[in-house]
Amino acid sequence: AQSVTQPDIHITVSEGASLELRCNYSYGATPYLFWYVQSPGQGLQLLLKYFSGDTLVQGIKGFEAEFKRSQSSFNLRKPSVHWSDAAEYFCAVGAGGTSYGKLTFGQGTILTVHP
Amino acid sequence: EAEVAQSPRYKITEKSQAVAFWCDPISGHATLYWYRQILGQGPELLVQFQDESVVDDSQLPKDRFSAERLKGVDSTLKIQPAELGDSAMYLCASSLAPPAGGGGEQFFGPGTRLTVL
Repeated sequence: AQSVTQPDIHITVSEGASLELRCNYSYGATPYLFWYVQSPGQGLQLLLKYFSGDTLVQGIKGFEAEFKRSQSSFNLRKPSVHWSDAAEYFCAVGAGGTSYGKLTFGQGTILTVHP
Repeated sequence: EAEVAQSPRYKITEKSQAVAFWCDPISGHATLYWYRQILGQGPELLVQFQDESVVDDSQLPKDRFSAERLKGVDSTLKIQPAELGDSAMYLCASSLAPPAGGGGEQFFGPGTRLTVL
């Protein structure tokens, strides 16, 4: 069964500082990987996704993520954080085959941004 | 921009009562998902439809939860009777289908926040 671990429950950074959110996955085949962001009381918005090809993926709002198969990781990065980035971030792995695209999410990382 | 619509946005009910949530996916999206998100956790899939057919309901508590998508468009998720542990955010998502190799992007609605007293 697939699973996702986000080791950091809560991260605090200063505005303008760099950011890295960690994600480790477990999946038996080539994974489909996603990062979503959720503002309080809202649904999830897709930041970026990895299906195949270039292991460095660019997303919206200046985010990027790097797929490292040897480490089973898909960490999210941003070089300079803005106050509006404060939210909860979820990493997810998508199943292939006959699972019709089922997503398994991690527990999320809450990002707080100090001015 | 097309969006997934959900209603109501908030629902407060007493335990043992029945509740229902509605979802209207993005037009043309044949795959529809219902997720439950307990506070402090990631979303967990409850049920997935391909058109009007259920393709995965392995995590749906079928003794009290039911879901339908009669015409393959909008969908209703029902809980009867509601229990205290059902308090959560219920998210609906849709995608073009079938998601090739499982990689189809899912678009999420704003969710329904359920509180059971």
